[in-house]
Amino acid sequence: AQSVTQPDIHITVSEGASLELRCNYSYGATPYLFWYVQSPGQGLQLLLKYFSGDTLVQGIKGFEAEFKRSQSSFNLRKPSVHWSDAAEYFCAVGAPGTASKLTFGTGTRLQVTL
Amino acid sequence: SAVISQKPSRDICQRGTSLTIQCQVDSQVTMMFWYRQQPGQSLTLIATANQGSEATYESGFVIDKFPISRPNLTFSTLTVSNMSPEDSSIYLCSVEDRLASTDTQYFGPGTRLTVL
Repeated sequence: AQSVTQPDIHITVSEGASLELRCNYSYGATPYLFWYVQSPGQGLQLLLKYFSGDTLVQGIKGFEAEFKRSQSSFNLRKPSVHWSDAAEYFCAVGAPGTASKLTFGTGTRLQVTL
Repeated sequence: SAVISQKPSRDICQRGTSLTIQCQVDSQVTMMFWYRQQPGQSLTLIATANQGSEATYESGFVIDKFPISRPNLTFSTLTVSNMSPEDSSIYLCSVEDRLASTDTQYFGPGTRLTVL
């Protein structure tokens, strides 16, 4: 069965600092990988996704993520965090060829200090 | 991507009652899903809403508790029946348009339910 681990429950960074959120997955092959963001009281917004090809993917709001097969990881990064990035971030995996059976991680709550 | 709306955005209900949540999409989509997000938790898939047939439920979720309808390709409802405080959660619908081959789920804003 597929699973997703986000080891950091809560992270605090200063505005302007760099950010890396960790995501590790367990899957028999290379899955489809997603990062979503949930602002307080909001639904989920897709930040970026990886299906195949270039292992460094660019997303919205200046985020990027790198797929590392050897480490079964798909970490999310941003070089300079803005106060508006404070939110909950979810990593998710799905079977290749479909997004129907997504498994979500437990989420990482990002706090940004001014 | 499709624009997804949900009604109501939030509600406070008494135990033993039922609430129906609506999900409307601005374009026809092939797949619609319902998730539950309990307080401080991640998302759990409740079921896949199938147009013209019964929904497909995940383990731990049953039709009597969470009846789902999907009368067409742009609309679905989820009913939370005979509610208890344990049903207090955010309920989200999502869509995947397989005809567009995006292989991506897009989410609605969610319905925040509190059961007293």
